[in-house]
Amino acid sequence: GQSLEQPSEVTAVEGAIVQINCTYQTSGFYGLSWYQQHDGGAPTFLSYNALDGLEETGRFSSFLSRSDSYGYLLLQELQMKDSASYFCAVTYSSASKIIFGSGTRLSIRP
Amino acid sequence: DTAVSQTPKYLVTQMGNDKSIKCEQNLGHDTMYWYKQDSKKFLKIMFSYNNKELIINETVPNRFSPKSPDKAHLNLHINSLELGDSAVYFCASSDRDNSPLHFGNGTRLTVT
Repeated sequence: GQSLEQPSEVTAVEGAIVQINCTYQTSGFYGLSWYQQHDGGAPTFLSYNALDGLEETGRFSSFLSRSDSYGYLLLQELQMKDSASYFCAVTYSSASKIIFGSGTRLSIRP
Repeated sequence: DTAVSQTPKYLVTQMGNDKSIKCEQNLGHDTMYWYKQDSKKFLKIMFSYNNKELIINETVPNRFSPKSPDKAHLNLHINSLELGDSAVYFCASSDRDNSPLHFGNGTRLTVT
């Protein structure tokens, strides 16, 4: 199968660190991506992991463990503008197929 | 500007009508997609085209017919619109397998 699970909502405080987890089914797995979507906007690409380990891009990092079929997005020094929905997405080896999780709505309190 | 652009931004229509959404990308990408995002924000892949050839058709009703006249364009025609078709439709492109998706700004379709 090809389904992903991530929490529906996460709340955090400005300046804090938050981790959004994603588990997926392995059949045909090729890589894990993360996208950010603000209300009324389009999803925008944040990061991609094909190999195990941590990828860091500024305040955002993404981790993948292929053996655990698990990844996470880590957001540091949270800012109010980080309030958005975050989607994990798996690329499957069948050509051009990218499946999205149901999204995690991140709310940030001052 | 280099981008994925789709028109119209908003589309309000009655059940039973036929409508089209257009998408163009000037990024030089080979692969284009249509995704549907429902009211719960679930993003579901509908179609994928690679260089004008249909690659993925995710069990979408045949009332939905994508057309790719060239690799820079992927249009979506919907026949006999139903209430359940109300959603935001996103076009996207990527330049090869496993590269990031670049999304258009979406078309909010409301069927009354």
